[in-house]
Amino acid sequence: AQSVTQLGSHVSVSEGALVLLRCNYSSSVPPYLFWYVQYPNQGLQLLLKYTSAATLVKGINGFEAEFKKSETSFHLTKPSAHMSDAAEYFCAVSGGGGADGLTFGKGTHLIIQP
Amino acid sequence: DGGITQSPKYLFRKEGQNVTLSCEQNLNHDAMYWYRQDPGQGLRLIYYSQIVNDFQKGDIAEGYSVSREKKESFPLTVTSAQKNPTAFYLCASSIGWPGEQFFGPGTRLTVL
Repeated sequence: AQSVTQLGSHVSVSEGALVLLRCNYSSSVPPYLFWYVQYPNQGLQLLLKYTSAATLVKGINGFEAEFKKSETSFHLTKPSAHMSDAAEYFCAVSGGGGADGLTFGKGTHLIIQP
Repeated sequence: DGGITQSPKYLFRKEGQNVTLSCEQNLNHDAMYWYRQDPGQGLRLIYYSQIVNDFQKGDIAEGYSVSREKKESFPLTVTSAQKNPTAFYLCASSIGWPGEQFFGPGTRLTVL
């Protein structure tokens, strides 16, 4: 079975500052990892995914994440926060074979201070 | 445009009534999923289907039922046996494993 832990239910940064959202996972098989973003009352949109190719993954809207197997982490970063980045972010893991569902973290609400 | 549609956006029902949430996709994806989202709890898997006429229980299937008679459609019924049905429900699809899942806009169900 796999699980995902997102540290910090709320993260606040100033506009223009570095964004760092933390995600640690556990999986009994090589994982596939995803970051999604959700705006209020909307569905989830894929930001980026790791599928065992390059460990540094670049996504949309300037976000990137690095897969670190030794730390079982997949933290999401963005060099400079923008007001439009304010949203809920979810880390998810898929593993074990078969088209079963993703296992999601509880989410991190990103707040951007002007 | 390809995508996933969920209807209605908002749904109100009286306690004890069954209600069916619609999910349709025109992405030609084989796999479809239903998740429930509650504040501070992330998304939890209710049911998933890898192929037409087949579906599997997820982590919180009690009180829910699904059908998959067509590739494009995966309706979810919230039955009166579901003890706390008020939540945001999200439908998703994927072309297979471990492809990313594409999500619909969600249905917010409120049981009065």
